[in-house]
Amino acid sequence: DAKTTQPTSMDCAEGRAANLPCNHSTISGNEYVYWYRQIHSQGPQYIIHGLKNNETNEMASLIITEDRKSSTLILPHATLRDTAVYYCIVRATTSGTYKYIFGTGTRLKVLA
Amino acid sequence: GAVVSQHPSWVICKSGTSVKIECRSLDFQATTMFWYRQFPKQSLMLMATSNEGSKATYEQGVEKDKFLINHASLTLSTLTVTSAHPEDSSFYICSVYGDRAYEQYFGPGTRLTVT
Repeated sequence: DAKTTQPTSMDCAEGRAANLPCNHSTISGNEYVYWYRQIHSQGPQYIIHGLKNNETNEMASLIITEDRKSSTLILPHATLRDTAVYYCIVRATTSGTYKYIFGTGTRLKVLA
Repeated sequence: GAVVSQHPSWVICKSGTSVKIECRSLDFQATTMFWYRQFPKQSLMLMATSNEGSKATYEQGVEKDKFLINHASLTLSTLTVTSAHPEDSSFYICSVYGDRAYEQYFGPGTRLTVT
């Protein structure tokens, strides 16, 4: 699976959009990009995933560059409850068992 | 989706003893479950893939004789830390694939402290 690179930490003002970048320059054609977040001392929570088109759901938007070498997770109106570690993961969908390899993640702190 | 529980949520044991952690898929039959370990302020590290009715597949560097995994039913996988040592103190998290195959659903985690 491709390796991902994310900034270690970011701050965001409450109510503003939080834009979390992720580099996955070695991603291959069949690998999806997944985003999860982990609030302190809890299990990770699924946010969104995509292959090459931009995606939006009730939690966030995912913007994937045309060359698919990077992506950005957007939380449109960050709240204090969005303070968490955000993980960007790429995972192949054609192998028999789909494993997630977590990178270091970005620690997002939403400030009041 | 899938709801995943873990038991216990936290456990303290003495060095040299063994401790068993349960992972249950409450509303979904999971042929595959995953076990992760997470040290403070670090990321999740995949330990092993647990397959119902067969032997688990361990990641490189994970001692299979120390971390015994049993996946005897479609709703239960157990991780037993044998002869625990203080360095085994960690946050252990399991996950399953739910009805939407693109999502892994994670349990709440079990915090193990070995004294």
